[in-house]
Amino acid sequence: ETGVTQSPTHLIKTRGQQVTLRCSSQSGHNTVSWYQQALGQGPQFIFQYYREEENGRGNFPPRFSGLQFPNYSSELNVNALELDDSALYLCASSFGANLVAGELFFGEGSRLTVL
Amino acid sequence: SQKIEQNSEALNIQEGKTATLTCNYTNYSPAYLQWYRQDPGRGPVFLLLIRENEKEKRKERLKVTFDTTLKQSLFHITASQPADSATYLCALDASKLTFGTGTRLQVTL
Repeated sequence: ETGVTQSPTHLIKTRGQQVTLRCSSQSGHNTVSWYQQALGQGPQFIFQYYREEENGRGNFPPRFSGLQFPNYSSELNVNALELDDSALYLCASSFGANLVAGELFFGEGSRLTVL
Repeated sequence: SQKIEQNSEALNIQEGKTATLTCNYTNYSPAYLQWYRQDPGRGPVFLLLIRENEKEKRKERLKVTFDTTLKQSLFHITASQPADSATYLCALDASKLTFGTGTRLQVTL
């Protein structure tokens, strides 16, 4: 059974650029949630995808968007990067359509630095 | 406004003692609460889930209590070890799983 994998692990961008982060969910899971974690803070919910549809969204602007593919892997896209977007981006997989489906399995995250 | 509060100051304890971490919340009515462990630069790892109708849950050296009247959960690690040093996050099942800021635990020899 493979765990949640995220890529890239680290990346540096400049303000105004766009970034795509990728996540492969754990085998057997059909739901992916994305979180943003700033230094010293807890993870903040961005959105969740279930069976290729967005299934809930947190307080993030539309320049944060996502996709889920038929194999349940997912992408997080952020346009017009701002300095405050610098954070650890975490992907978590689970099984079920409920926004709170129980235990979440997290990847190791993608560390984004915006200069 | 809704808040989940965990002690932002690090908790330092001696090996072998019991560590107790607190999670307080306001303006939530969670059906359940979860605790996660997070090591520096890593993703959180699930530890325990406790439902609103459960007062206490145990798993090996871990114990969680959930008091919906006080709006508080306590997380205990008995016989703590240096390997238990990490940040511990509580999370509530609001309309989305919502995390506190976490408390860093440091266990020394």
